[in-house]
Amino acid sequence: GESVGLHLPTLSVQEGDNSIINCAYSNSASDYFIWYKQESGKGPQFIIDIRSNMDKRQGQRVTVLLNKTVKHLSLQIAATQPGDSAVYFCAENIAGGYNKLIFGAGTRLAVHP
Amino acid sequence: GAGVSQSPSNKVTEKGKDVELRCDPISGHTALYWYRQSLGQGLEFLIYFQGNSAPDKSGLPSDRFSAERTGGSVSTLTIQRTQQEDSAVYLCASSIRGGNEKLFFGSGTQLSVL
Repeated sequence: GESVGLHLPTLSVQEGDNSIINCAYSNSASDYFIWYKQESGKGPQFIIDIRSNMDKRQGQRVTVLLNKTVKHLSLQIAATQPGDSAVYFCAENIAGGYNKLIFGAGTRLAVHP
Repeated sequence: GAGVSQSPSNKVTEKGKDVELRCDPISGHTALYWYRQSLGQGLEFLIYFQGNSAPDKSGLPSDRFSAERTGGSVSTLTIQRTQQEDSAVYLCASSIRGGNEKLFFGSGTQLSVL
């Protein structure tokens, strides 16, 4: 969903459940997408990336899905842990050649024991 | 160093003063970026440096903002005549070549303009 000002959309999950964070990107010409995790007081930390010639990419406990038809990106986190609690940003690269990344507003993930 | 280093971590200044924010990228990274993050918001692109090429300044919000990168390493972001709306976290990131690859971010400088 969209966020306005301080009111980031929040996804609350139970520890051990799977989490799915969604993102709608803006430019059909974007060819590279990244998910970042940001904990309080820290800079964004790379999670996983995907290029536009792929639909799915898996990492350790994370999967990114790309649907170019509807310009939709999702991040799936398996067996969510308390340490996964953070704000998650998707970003798209519309410049090509360098990362002039356009970031989404972010989704807060809250993991409850 | 082991990661991207930014200084100071916090800066409080009075409206109208100039500030300088510093970024030390990861050694060997040729690409360096500045982003700005307002409270509860995503990241706003400011400027990009790649090697000896002319920087992409298209994200700088006004001519009060400028940045330089000396010797292809350390970068300084300067904000002149600061305004209250400049208050934000300023994040620096670097990457190896500047193509479609992951960025490594510093922890940012929290700027507060009173």
